[in-house]
Amino acid sequence: TQLLEQSPQFLSIQEGENLTVYCNSSSVFSSLQWYRQEPGEGPVLLVTVVTGGEVKKLKRLTFQFGDARKDSSLHITAAQPGDTGLYLCAGYSGAGSYQLTFGKGTKLSVIP
Amino acid sequence: KAGVTQTPRYLIKTRGQQVTLSCSPISGHRSVSWYQQTPGQGLQFLFEYFSETQRNKGNFPGRFSGRQFSNSRSEMNVSTLELGDSALYLCASSLEGGINSPLHFGNGTRLTVT
Repeated sequence: TQLLEQSPQFLSIQEGENLTVYCNSSSVFSSLQWYRQEPGEGPVLLVTVVTGGEVKKLKRLTFQFGDARKDSSLHITAAQPGDTGLYLCAGYSGAGSYQLTFGKGTKLSVIP
Repeated sequence: KAGVTQTPRYLIKTRGQQVTLSCSPISGHRSVSWYQQTPGQGLQFLFEYFSETQRNKGNFPGRFSGRQFSNSRSEMNVSTLELGDSALYLCASSLEGGINSPLHFGNGTRLTVT
């Protein structure tokens, strides 16, 4: 069973601060995805990274896929209260897989 | 374009009963996946259906079952409910499933077993 470990589990920061969330595995993933989930709602896909070493930017969010495709990070610059939520990483183990494995998530609170 | 619709939003059942949850995917999406979300275990994959065929099944007991209809709508059933089945059950749809087909999640059904 492939596992994804996320750290930290909880993060509480002041508005304007920067933060990084990590997603690590001992297994290789063909792709990794990041989702954000708000209370009472389902997860919403933010980004998919496919190539080892890939970096993608989404406004103030920067996503990186490790060279060995075993880890990923999410960096938020100048966090805002609207960034509050549960951030989840998820991955497919292979090109023919239809089973998405999720990390347990990082719960982020941005205090105004 | 309407999103993924899950019904009901909330459900309270007694241990030993059975329950059926429903999921209507986005129009044109043929793949439907089901996930269980709990505070302790996070999101865990239950099963995935495409064109009425189950392609993948997660590591859950046989009490958990599902099906998909010809219009891509899907249902999941849990029999002989246990207290530990209390969770948020999420359905996600995509065009074809897999890496190249982004998932769109519904807002879930919150099941409480007493």
